[in-house]
Amino acid sequence: GESVGLHLPTLSVQEGDNSIINCAYSNSASDYFIWYKQESGKGPQFIIDIRSNMDKRQGQRVTVLLNKTVKHLSLQIAATQPGDSAVYFCAENDYNQGGKLIFGQGTELSVKP
Amino acid sequence: ETGVTQTPRHLVMGMTNKKSLKCEQHLGHNAMYWYKQSAKKPLELMFVYSLEERVENNSVPSRFSPECPNSSHLFLHLHTLQPEDSALYLCASSLVVGPSSGANVLTFGAGSRLTVL
Repeated sequence: GESVGLHLPTLSVQEGDNSIINCAYSNSASDYFIWYKQESGKGPQFIIDIRSNMDKRQGQRVTVLLNKTVKHLSLQIAATQPGDSAVYFCAENDYNQGGKLIFGQGTELSVKP
Repeated sequence: ETGVTQTPRHLVMGMTNKKSLKCEQHLGHNAMYWYKQSAKKPLELMFVYSLEERVENNSVPSRFSPECPNSSHLFLHLHTLQPEDSALYLCASSLVVGPSSGANVLTFGAGSRLTVL
């Protein structure tokens, strides 16, 4: 079946460094992607999204890159802070499943002070 | 706060108990969802409601019974659960049922952590 997956289950970075979280997807029909952040004891929170007609989108300290050729999505966090420690999920609209949002497994980001 | 409130935040129950999880959204959304989040697994969609009508049931065992009395409230009634049902149950809402977009993004509650003994 088609799925959304993450390359690394955990990522540890030093405070102030940049973080890159990767996501691979296999459904070439997906046209919309989201990154969610889930802090301990909370539900997933929307961070940033990107449509398939774009290859880059920037937010505040976050950038999402989309490479449709290799079906790869990444989330870049600039100047990572302790408050960025969380699990990050990518998700895609899977039109093979009626446009249902399919989530990846998640990457845990740990920021060392 | 996200505008989606779940209670209780933590619940411990025996396999013969009956309990309910509650979700309330103050966002004016028309679609509500139940997801199950287990350790090291992707979020699993359980149920979808659109304007109080169930539009999707993802092969969820009958020991989980959803109820949506109005577009702002969603319940998950639990009965005769198994230890493997222990998980974080997340409620979410969106403007409408359908593909996500900038105007139709899922908003999640904080979840109800369920432990079945």
